[in-house]
Amino acid sequence: AQKITQTQPGMFVQEKEAVTLDCTYDTSDQSYGLFWYKQPSSGEMIFLIYQGSYDEQNATEGRYSLNFQKARKSTNLVISASQLGDSAMYFCAMREGIVAGTASKLTFGTGTRLQVTL
Amino acid sequence: DVKVTQSSRYLVKRTGEKVFLECVQDMDHENMFWYRQDPGLGLRLIYFSYDVKMKEKGDIPEGYSVSREKKERFSLILESASTNQTSMYLCASEDLTDTQYFGPGTRLTVL
Repeated sequence: AQKITQTQPGMFVQEKEAVTLDCTYDTSDQSYGLFWYKQPSSGEMIFLIYQGSYDEQNATEGRYSLNFQKARKSTNLVISASQLGDSAMYFCAMREGIVAGTASKLTFGTGTRLQVTL
Repeated sequence: DVKVTQSSRYLVKRTGEKVFLECVQDMDHENMFWYRQDPGLGLRLIYFSYDVKMKEKGDIPEGYSVSREKKERFSLILESASTNQTSMYLCASEDLTDTQYFGPGTRLTVL
C-alpha cells in the first residue's frame, strides 16, 4: 500500500488565485511529521512547510498553509495568491516514528505538477 | 542558510564504469541521505548515514554503496554502472528539526 498518495498528477491555476494540492498518508505511528517540498524545473528540492502529528494548529508559512485533517489522514497544501514562479512539481513526504540512534526516513509521494497561468 | 552541494549537475558514464557522486554540507549535520528520482516514482531512498562511518540501507540499495569518512561529505558509489541507474540523484542533509535540505541534484546518464 502507498504510504503517501498524491492523486493529482497535474493542476492548473490562474495567477493570483488560490490552489489546493492534495495529499493523503497511511501510518500506524502516533508520532510522525509531514513535509511539503517544491521542485522547480532546475531540479532542486526546496522545503516549504512542516506539520507535526501533535500540532493542533494548521501550519502556515507565508503564502503556504496546510489543511491538516488527522482523522482523515490528509494534509493538503494551500497556496494563496499564486504567482508564475509557483509553477513546479510539489511533493508531499512523511517521516514516521524515529528509532533512537539512527536517522529519520522520509517517504515521498509521486508529486503534483502545478502550472500557474496568466 | 543550509548549503548542500553536489559535485556535478550532469554526468555521462559508460556501462561498467565506477561512478562517484559527491555531496557536501556546511551545517555540521549528522544525518545525510542519497535518493534517486524517476518519473512517476517520486524519490526513493538509496542509503543514509547518521554519523561518520555509519550507514544504513534505504529502500533500493542494490547496485550502490556509500562512504562517509568526514561529517560534511557523503559519497554515493556505483561500483559498475548500468543503464537502469540512469536517473536524477539527490543528496540531502537533515537538521535537528528533522527537516531535510537538498542539493541541486545530479542527472546521471549511463550509456
